Amino acid sequence: GQQVMQIPQYQHVQEGEDFTTYCNSSTTLSNIQWYKQRPGGHPVFLIQLVKSGEVKKQKRLTFQFGEAKKNSSLHITATQTTDVGTYFCAGRGDYKLSFGAGTTVTVRA
Amino acid sequence: DGGITQSPKYLFRKEGQNVTLSCEQNLNHDAMYWYRQDPGQGLRLIYYSQIVNDFQKGDIAEGYSVSREKKESFPLTVTSAQKNPTAFYLCASSIGRSAGGLKYEQYFGPGTRLTVT
Repeated sequence: GQQVMQIPQYQHVQEGEDFTTYCNSSTTLSNIQWYKQRPGGHPVFLIQLVKSGEVKKQKRLTFQFGEAKKNSSLHITATQTTDVGTYFCAGRGDYKLSFGAGTTVTVRA
Repeated sequence: DGGITQSPKYLFRKEGQNVTLSCEQNLNHDAMYWYRQDPGQGLRLIYYSQIVNDFQKGDIAEGYSVSREKKESFPLTVTSAQKNPTAFYLCASSIGRSAGGLKYEQYFGPGTRLTVT
């Protein structure tokens, strides 16, 4: 069945540094969504990527969808304490949305 | 103020008891979903509904039941048959029905943390 894997599971970042989290699917995806869950909160939609090779930016966040539509990445530049939380990717295959296990980000001030 | 409400935020039950978690949305969304979240495992789909009076099993439906009698409501019952019910339960909705509404973003409620002892 469709599986979405995310790495790393944990990311400890010095404030001001950059980092990237990766999402890989065992099957080709129709689209991929990214969500952020703050500690103690619920997932909040960030963005959706649909086209092969698509790149979208939201301020310091850059999202990319792979050419083969089987992988995606989220790159955060100049990490701030407000970036703390768990970032999930969710890939849509034929009939359902499959969530990755998430990358939990902590920031050292 | 539109959104999804889940109640209660925390719920404690004894083993062997059924418990129903509430999910209400006033976003006029067609599709609704129930997820279970366990540490380190992300979100796993329990049930989803694309339209009133219709719902489908997700990846981990065993030990759970749902109903969709109204567009705005999608309650989840955790039965005594669920072997490990302690978890964080999230309800979500999305606007469309095409491909089960899956190409649209999902809006999540605040969640219910269920503890069964």
